[in-house]
Amino acid sequence: EPEVTQTPSHQVTQMGQEVILRCVPISNHLYFYWYRQILGQKVEFLVSFYNNEISEKSEIFDDQFSVERPDGSNFTLKIRSTKLEDSAMYFCASKARGNQPQHFGDGTRLSIL
Amino acid sequence: AQTVTQSQPEMSVQEAETVTLSCTYDTSESDYYLFWYKQPPSRQMILVIRQEAYKQQNATENRFSVNFQKAAKSFSLKISDSQLGDAAMYFCAYRSGYTGNQFYFGTGTSLTVIP
Repeated sequence: EPEVTQTPSHQVTQMGQEVILRCVPISNHLYFYWYRQILGQKVEFLVSFYNNEISEKSEIFDDQFSVERPDGSNFTLKIRSTKLEDSAMYFCASKARGNQPQHFGDGTRLSIL
Repeated sequence: AQTVTQSQPEMSVQEAETVTLSCTYDTSESDYYLFWYKQPPSRQMILVIRQEAYKQQNATENRFSVNFQKAAKSFSLKISDSQLGDAAMYFCAYRSGYTGNQFYFGTGTSLTVIP
């Protein structure tokens, strides 16, 4: 069964550095998402992306964050100047069409030092 | 804003027994979808079951079934004949039928299966 894949599985970065988290959604999916889960807390929505543009974003998704679909397969989340509170598990998800469920990747654990 | 509440941070069940995980939600919308996702130690969130709000019949997927009480805004997950592989964190999630985008997740219930 096709899966959403995320790399790396664990990223350790110095505070203030830029980090890019990568996702390869399922190939025929059209909607893409990023979520984060701070340790011990609930999964929180960050952003959704459709037709090469952001369709919805949460309050968490401020100017520090950006997303991009640089080619036909990758979907990236960039955090420009990381802060300690950005440490979390980041999940990518995709879905085929409007009424279909989202499929999640394994997540990338981001640790900011 | 929609909220999803899971009041049981941890649950345990004996192997082969039945367990019910609770979820309540708050919304003013009439068209929405509810989901249960499983997050095993391998970390990937796996869809377990989904329910459309307009359907009165409770969704069933093999050993997993839901008790959807729309008026009470309750969406519990029943796992029958529990197996060791069912041990995981379970998240209840809500998605609007109108905007169709973001999920609202509960805080999760950690399920332990005792052999």
